[in-house]
Amino acid sequence: ILNVEQSPQSLHVQEGDSTNFTCSFPSSNFYALHWYRWETAKSPEALFVMTLNGDEKKKGRISATLNTKEGYSYLYIKGSQPEDSATYLCAFGMDSNYQLIWGAGTKLIIKP
Amino acid sequence: DAEITQSPRHKITETGRQVTLACHQTWNHNNMFWYRQDLGHGLRLIHYSYGVQDTNKGEVSDGYSVSRSNTEDLPLTLESAASSQTSVYFCASSGRGGYNEQFFGPGTRLTVL
Repeated sequence: ILNVEQSPQSLHVQEGDSTNFTCSFPSSNFYALHWYRWETAKSPEALFVMTLNGDEKKKGRISATLNTKEGYSYLYIKGSQPEDSATYLCAFGMDSNYQLIWGAGTKLIIKP
Repeated sequence: DAEITQSPRHKITETGRQVTLACHQTWNHNNMFWYRQDLGHGLRLIHYSYGVQDTNKGEVSDGYSVSRSNTEDLPLTLESAASSQTSVYFCASSGRGGYNEQFFGPGTRLTVL
C-alpha cells in the first residue's frame, strides 16, 4: 500500500519565526510531488508542483525542496504571518497517472 | 474566469435515500476527481474520470457512482446513503498529466441521518 506521511501533524509557531515540515513518499515510480495550502472553510489551493530531483520552488516567503531518491520534500515558511495559518497538504503522483496519493496534512497555527 | 462549482453546498438526507452531488467546471479540463475528507484522514479518492465516458474507481468507491457525459460535469451519486458517508465532499479538476495542479470546488457537506 502506497503511503504519504506528513510530519508533524500540527505545529504552533510564533509570528515572525520560520518553520518547516516534511512530506515522505515512496521513492519508486516517482512522477510529481504537489504541495497545497488549505485554509479553514476554503478549498485546497496549489502551492507547488515539483517533478525533478533537487527541485526547489519559491513563492514569496514559502519555498519547497524535493529529494526523489530518498523520498522526501520539505516545505519552508520564512517569517510566519497569521495568514499562513492553514493545513498544508502534500500529494504524490506516481508515473504519469493523474491520480494523487495525499498525505493527512500538517496543521500550522501562527500565534501573534 | 474559469471555475469549478459544487451543489448543493450543504445537504441533510436520510439513510437509504439516493443522493446526487453536482460538480461543474469551466476550465475545460479532461480530468475530474471526487474526494471525501474526514477527520484524521487526508483526501481520499472516490472516483475519477480522464474524459467523457471514462470513469474509474478510487480508493473508497463502494456505495458511490459517477458518470461523465460531457467535459464540464461529473455528478457523484450515493446509491443508498449510509451514516458512514457523512463527510465533506470535494470535486477537483486538472489538465492532462500528473504534473498539473488540481483545482478544487468549494466542497459539499453531507450529513446522513
